[in-house]
Amino acid sequence: QQPVQSPQAVILREGEDAVINCSSSKALYSVHWYRQKHGEAPVFLMILLKGGEQKGHEKISASFNEKKQQSSLYLTASQLSYSGTYFCGTELGNAGNMLTFGGGTRLMVKP
Amino acid sequence: ETGVTQSPTHLIKTRGQQVTLRCSSQSGHNTVSWYQQALGQGPQFIFQYYREEENGRGNFPPRFSGLQFPNYSSELNVNALELDDSALYLCASSLLASSGANVLTFGAGSRLTVL
Repeated sequence: QQPVQSPQAVILREGEDAVINCSSSKALYSVHWYRQKHGEAPVFLMILLKGGEQKGHEKISASFNEKKQQSSLYLTASQLSYSGTYFCGTELGNAGNMLTFGGGTRLMVKP
Repeated sequence: ETGVTQSPTHLIKTRGQQVTLRCSSQSGHNTVSWYQQALGQGPQFIFQYYREEENGRGNFPPRFSGLQFPNYSSELNVNALELDDSALYLCASSLLASSGANVLTFGAGSRLTVL
């Protein structure tokens, strides 16, 4: 079942913060976050695993609430380069990264 | 390290035709997954190939089929094209491990238009 992302769209000024949420009705094994700019490939941001392990390599943080089956992506001090569409992808088990993606959150950062 | 490359980048077909899309996976990766992304939507999982065999499949009909070659490159074939098949087709490679989750590296996609 497809995870639900909120909000669907957000507009920020440079330097402002944003939170993007991803909720599932089923127990999750992992949550993956990707950003996609128009006409480009989705780019990896973060993986969060059941049990709390996180993997990421950008100045973006995230959390995974196992009780609520919800992940949140935190974008702080936003930059123009943060603009794009953010997708969460979820796995119900350790199934080899066969992800079910949410509908996306469109983020626009203005000067 | 080379990334994931896909070809062609754009193509136009008519209903009923067949199409083959190609993907070269990232060096060191052994798994290829294909996703369909309709305009304004998130990617939908089509199937995954590991060791040249289909390792998992999403909710897509059998007219969507694939291959993985010994060099880990892959093809997606779609027969009897329908208008709703118009979408961006994304290939993603990864290194399948026995535990944990791993990063998917996506290609830029092949944009298919069915008229």
